[in-house]
Amino acid sequence: EVQLVESGGGLVQPGRSLRLSCTASGFTFGDYFMSWVRQAPGKGLEWVGFIRSNSYGGTTEYAASVKGRFTISRDDSKGIAYLQMNSLKTEDTAVYYCGRDGTWPQFWGQGTLVTVSS
Amino acid sequence: EIVLTQSPGTLSLSPGERATLSCRASQSVSNNYLGWYQQKPGQAPRLLIYGASSRATGIPDRFSGSGSGTDFTLTISRLEPEDFAVYYCQQFGRSPPSLTFGGGTKVEIK
Repeated sequence: EVQLVESGGGLVQPGRSLRLSCTASGFTFGDYFMSWVRQAPGKGLEWVGFIRSNSYGGTTEYAASVKGRFTISRDDSKGIAYLQMNSLKTEDTAVYYCGRDGTWPQFWGQGTLVTVSS
Repeated sequence: EIVLTQSPGTLSLSPGERATLSCRASQSVSNNYLGWYQQKPGQAPRLLIYGASSRATGIPDRFSGSGSGTDFTLTISRLEPEDFAVYYCQQFGRSPPSLTFGGGTKVEIK
């Protein structure tokens, strides 16, 4: 069974950093692109970015709203994808979901809440 | 960047009725890279349709997708109680690679 579990969310002050983790199981992690999507309270879904599998170079793509501040990485030996978030803004407050696949994430974690507030 | 506009914003229907949800793109969606998701309160999104018309694994056949170019439709043939939720369309753009979601359609019980 495919399982994705996000962790690392919490309350953080504007301008600070936070790293989220997405721990995967039930599939060959290294074969898949991994995506991050967020949802602000009461709002719709917003794509954050994805990381390709290493067979596709392990490169990343980001939404304009987070480019230069957020970094996605992966550790295939541990089956974990990371979202490093720097220079956080109040508008980054959201539930962050990781998903398997890049084009149409089919499997998702339950999300982790990030609250950016002073 | 392609913008996806979903309509209506809210659809009020009764169980057993047919639901028709629209997703319109500001530019043509290449290779029908269009998907549909269902989301219930407090839950992660669930992929229903990919490639505009292919059902994802385990999705009942009352859900169907159609369309091409700039106009896409999600149809739920007969609403079951568990189908009342918010539905999002999503496209994958290749240049630059990115995903875009529509604003969502809420299907509520009338």
